Amino acid sequence: QSMLTQPPSASGTPGQRVTISCSGSKSNIGSNYVYWYQQLPGAAPKLLIYKTNQRPSGVPDRFSGSKSGTSASLAISGLRSEDEADYHCAAWDGSLGGRMLFGGGTNLTVL
Amino acid sequence: QVHLVQSGAEVKKPGTSVKISCEASGYSLASYTMHWVRQAPGQSLEWMGWISGGNSNTKYSQKFQDRVTFTSDTSANVVYMELSRLRSDDTTLYFCARGFSSNDPRLDLWGQGTQVTVSS
Repeated sequence: QSMLTQPPSASGTPGQRVTISCSGSKSNIGSNYVYWYQQLPGAAPKLLIYKTNQRPSGVPDRFSGSKSGTSASLAISGLRSEDEADYHCAAWDGSLGGRMLFGGGTNLTVL
Repeated sequence: QVHLVQSGAEVKKPGTSVKISCEASGYSLASYTMHWVRQAPGQSLEWMGWISGGNSNTKYSQKFQDRVTFTSDTSANVVYMELSRLRSDDTTLYFCARGFSSNDPRLDLWGQGTQVTVSS
């Protein structure tokens, strides 16, 4: 597995709750923390969630992360127009000598 | 204020090497790791490896380990990424990103990115 699996796109209306999934395997999500990054158009990624469900200071509590088995999810509640961005999941993977794996990214559109 | 500033865009010929710098401001390199991540246009992120600012230990992705070298200059608070034997598919945006520690790979601070174009 060369990357984690995310849906390429997601959408929601303002105020709605949306979730973005991230699927992996035992060697990554199944045994390590999950990280989520938000990437606005033309910008570098920004850390959104670390250690599966922790928010860095400054990240609104509208964003939350969870994990079950080999899958993880990012939930965004009270969707706002400024949430329109690409979202990437990541996890350390113990195979091939150890490496960080990213998901393919999910483009979130706020309708 | 903490930030990472990367060197400017590069245009290189196939088979040559490129060396990108990443200068840390507002914190000491020695206290963190520095990761390198690349992203082709419209594509996902791809991890290349990390270097420990304190002792210059490195961890490379198997995909790049025979072509990439990370170095650090703690006196100048700068890390470098050199990629050799460049190919056309190395044309992409390269980011440095601060890792919290060798055991906690959260990337909490990112550089602005450096575009590398490989073309004959």
